[in-house]
This record gives sequence, C-alpha cells and structure tokens, in this order.
Amino acid sequence: NAGVTQTPKFQVLKTGQSMTLQCAQDMNHNSMYWYRQDPGMGLRLIYYSASEGTTDKGEVPNGYNVSRLNKREFSLRLESAAPSQTSVYFCASTGRGAYNEQFFGPGTRLTVL
Amino acid sequence: GQQLNQSPQSMFIQEGEDVSMNCTSSSIFNTWLWYKQDPGEGPVLLIALYKAGELTSNGRLTAQFGITRKDSFLNISASIPSDVGIYFCAGLMDSNYQLIWGAGTKLIIKP
Repeated sequence: NAGVTQTPKFQVLKTGQSMTLQCAQDMNHNSMYWYRQDPGMGLRLIYYSASEGTTDKGEVPNGYNVSRLNKREFSLRLESAAPSQTSVYFCASTGRGAYNEQFFGPGTRLTVL
Repeated sequence: GQQLNQSPQSMFIQEGEDVSMNCTSSSIFNTWLWYKQDPGEGPVLLIALYKAGELTSNGRLTAQFGITRKDSFLNISASIPSDVGIYFCAGLMDSNYQLIWGAGTKLIIKP
C-alpha cells in the first residue's frame, strides 16, 4: 500500500493564480483532512471530510475549497493564491471508529510570490 | 482555535540522555496521540492512548494518558541521533473528527 499520496510535492505560484492540490489514499479510510503547517507552528485544519459526500470547514478555511471526489480522493483548491497561503500542506486520512489515528501524506510545499 | 500547550518548545540533549516532553490543556480529552515529524516529511504516528492513566510503550518511547484526562507525557530513553525531529501531541475531545494539535517540541542532539 502506498498509504497517503500527494501531488505535487513542490509548487510556486504568482499571486492571483489558481491551483489544485491532489490527495489520494488506498487504505479504504472514511475520513480525510487537509492541514497547513507554517514555520514553528503546529498543524492547522483547513477542511475535512468525515465520509464520502461530506465536507466541513476546519479552523482556517478562508481562501480554500475542497472536493471529496470519491472515497479515495480529496482535493484542495486555491482559487486566487495569496502570499499568506505560502505554507506546507498535508493531507491525512483515518478509518472508521472512535480512534482518530490520522495517517499523513508527505506534504506539498507551496510558495506564493 | 483551541490549542494544546506543548513543552518544551525545543530541547538540546546529548546522545544517550533521556528526554521528557508533555502536553497540557484546560479541556478533557478522550484520546491522545503522539507524532514525530522528520524534516521534509509528514508526521508519523508513534503512540496512541485511549484511557485515562494508560501507559504505553513503543520501543524506547513511553507515553502516558494523564489521570485527569487533561495532559499527556512522552518519554524517550537513551536518545540516539535518529530521534531528532519535531514531536507533536494531538488530542481528540469527542467524535467530531477534529484533532487538536500542540505546537511541537523540536529535539536536537548535540554533537
């Protein structure tokens, strides 16, 4: 199993450009998450999807949209990138049950100029 | 948003020393998780704790779920160079799928 995969690994955008970050998991997990991590800080939840067909806002959703395409895939879209969105983005997933042991992808390093 | 208070922020230790770090909160948690993040990688789960008072080991790592359910501790015995990285605690308050994360403890081993 590949676990959680993310593409691309690195991306540089100009202010105002749009892009979609892709995430896929092959563990048959129900829940998926998008986080951002800024230097010296922990993880902040952007959006999550508790199950296929549902999405909900996390702590920092402004400027982002998400799509739970199917059970495997959860994408994050920046419609008009801003320098404040320069960060490392992590996707994670977890299986059904009370134990939220999240498994993470390798991250996408995004720079907005 | 809610945060866990994780300390220390960073640690400089000698190889072979024992390490202790902790997370505290004013809220009660049902689950505590400890993750490690290596440079350029995503966090990897080290230990999961589900019951107050629970003590769980994973090799040289031992973590405890505080009896008050408001804190957790991680100990690393006899540190080695590959232990360097950032350690995060995360807690789950209820079944709303959202983990609350600490800011991390950066472990650095002095040459």
